Amino acid sequence: SAVISQKPSRDICQRGTSLTIQCQVDSQVTMMFWYRQQPGQSLTLIATANQGSEATYESGFVIDKFPISRPNLTFSTLTVSNMSPEDSSIYLCSVELAGGPDTQYFGPGTRLTVL
Amino acid sequence: AQSVTQPDIHITVSEGASLELRCNYSYGATPYLFWYVQSPGQGLQLLLKYFSGDTLVQGIKGFEAEFKRSQSSFNLRKPSVHWSDAAEYFCAVGPGGYQKVTFGTGTKLQVIP
Repeated sequence: SAVISQKPSRDICQRGTSLTIQCQVDSQVTMMFWYRQQPGQSLTLIATANQGSEATYESGFVIDKFPISRPNLTFSTLTVSNMSPEDSSIYLCSVELAGGPDTQYFGPGTRLTVL
Repeated sequence: AQSVTQPDIHITVSEGASLELRCNYSYGATPYLFWYVQSPGQGLQLLLKYFSGDTLVQGIKGFEAEFKRSQSSFNLRKPSVHWSDAAEYFCAVGPGGYQKVTFGTGTKLQVIP
């Protein structure tokens, strides 16, 4: 497995502002992903963070709203831009390890509340 | 399109009792199936997975799950629940490509003394 950390663990933000969430892994991984877990709902994949290139977004998610960076094989950031109360969610980073195909390991999540 | 149904939103069991959490999936071929657990304030932890082979899969923390193709089910079981098992449990299905993993809506487990 891998140790995955996220910062911040939680935050309360004002409408219209932006928040950047960091995800750090203790080993090099090929695949990193960002998920959203809205209150009382399941996980929804936002995008795949690609190292050295633009992220691959799922339907319903756009780069202007959720810009993602992946400067190396152990680190990624997700920014939630121009926030509204509907963005209040838990945001989770996950990774797929080499030798563990199709098995994802998740970070502890960032609980975001937008007022 | 693939989908996952966890019919029980909330389940309460007594400590020491047996547990079964239901999961039904919809997928056209043999799916990859997963169970994750999310403790309060934590991320998701993989309990077990099924890709192929033996339909009874053993996982961590004493959990097991059985793949039943005829019923499109992948129910999670534990013979004796501990108070520390109180958490939310998610079933997930995918065709083998991580981008297409679909999660169920989760079952919240409460354990009473």
